[in-house]
Amino acid sequence: NAGVTQTPKFRILKIGQSMTLQCTQDMNHNYMYWYRQDPGMGLKLIYYSVGAGITDKGEVPNGYNVSRSTTEDFPLRLELAAPSQTSVYFCASSYEAGGRDTQYFGPGTRLTVL
Amino acid sequence: GQQVMQIPQYQHVQEGEDFTTYCNSSTTLSNIQWYKQRPGGHPVFLIQLVKSGEVKKQKRLTFQFGEAKKNSSLHITATQTTDVGTYFCAGSNSGYALNFGKGTSLLVTP
Repeated sequence: NAGVTQTPKFRILKIGQSMTLQCTQDMNHNYMYWYRQDPGMGLKLIYYSVGAGITDKGEVPNGYNVSRSTTEDFPLRLELAAPSQTSVYFCASSYEAGGRDTQYFGPGTRLTVL
Repeated sequence: GQQVMQIPQYQHVQEGEDFTTYCNSSTTLSNIQWYKQRPGGHPVFLIQLVKSGEVKKQKRLTFQFGEAKKNSSLHITATQTTDVGTYFCAGSNSGYALNFGKGTSLLVTP
């Protein structure tokens, strides 16, 4: 099993550009999550999904969108990149609801917006 | 909303010394999880505590969950350079989400 994979590993965007961060898991987990991590801070939940076709906002959803068309994939879309979105983005998945079960994290995408 | 506070923010120890990080929640938790993140890496699950007063050990690591289920601690005995990283606690109120603390960064000098 590859676990949770994320692409790209690194990306530099200009202000106003758009991009999609890809996340795929091969563990047949129903629950998937997107977090951002800023230096010296913990992980803040952006969006999560409890299954294909079902998504919901987390703590910091503004400026982002998600979709979940399959169990395996949970892409995160940035529509109009802003410097405040410079961060490390982690995708995670779990078999049961995240509060009760181990979350498996991908390697992260390091995004810089200039 | 639920807040999870973690102290200290940083800790620098000599190899062989002990290390403790503390986690406090503003609300009662249904369970708490601990993760470790190596520099440049991603968070990796260490353990989950569910019961009031629970104590679990993993080799040199001891995890405790408070009686009121509002606080937790991670203690490392005789640190090694391989313990370097940031340790996060994450609390849950039985919902879908985990609320992560800001983490304690541990530096171990040989």
